[in-house]
Amino acid sequence: EAQVTQNPRYLITVTGKKLTVTCSQNMNHEYMSWYRQDPGLGLRQIYYSMNVEVTDKGDVPEGYKVSRKEKRNFPLILESPSPNQTSLYFCASSYRSGGGPSTDTQYFGPGTRLTVL
Amino acid sequence: AQSVSQHNHHVILSEAASLELGCNYSYGGTVNLFWYVQYPGQHLQLLLKYFSGDPLVKGIKGFEAEFIKSKFSFNLRKPSVQWSDTAEYFCAVKANAGKSTFGDGTTLTVKP
Repeated sequence: EAQVTQNPRYLITVTGKKLTVTCSQNMNHEYMSWYRQDPGLGLRQIYYSMNVEVTDKGDVPEGYKVSRKEKRNFPLILESPSPNQTSLYFCASSYRSGGGPSTDTQYFGPGTRLTVL
Repeated sequence: AQSVSQHNHHVILSEAASLELGCNYSYGGTVNLFWYVQYPGQHLQLLLKYFSGDPLVKGIKGFEAEFIKSKFSFNLRKPSVQWSDTAEYFCAVKANAGKSTFGDGTTLTVKP
């Protein structure tokens, strides 16, 4: 089944304790992206990746890191989480970016609800 | 910089009423426009998209949207809503270079 998976789905942690949220897709997609969803603010893009070893900042990259060493994986790293990073995080992927309607549709993962105390 | 504005944060309708959700965008290049839907407890899924050609696009579940270039708008419509349409709706703009911007979302509640 074609899908985007995220782990963990729920995480409660404390300020300053480094964490990684994994994202994996099995559709051979080139493009992957991370968003956070907060009430009243919609989805805001954190980082995106056009392909392996190619990443770029979205609108809210501060406090986050990403890496894209393999095509299927795009982990989100919080080196020193803070309470303002409490949010619902979504990973998404698409076949390509800029290739038109058949390739640009993003497929979303189920979300990771993160609470930083 | 690209931006998306959704006019209504919360819309309440009765079943069979018509729906129109407003979306305006700001972007200097070629626009790729999307509407995504998030049903309660589920993740986002594509409702419809516009890239080029016919400005009236049809999506799943009877939804449609019209791209009006002169107004920088991409409003979502449905002639007759159902209770099962209760969800949060997001308008989005995506640049070919990869950056993606979503609106704040509109929560639609349909009363049976």
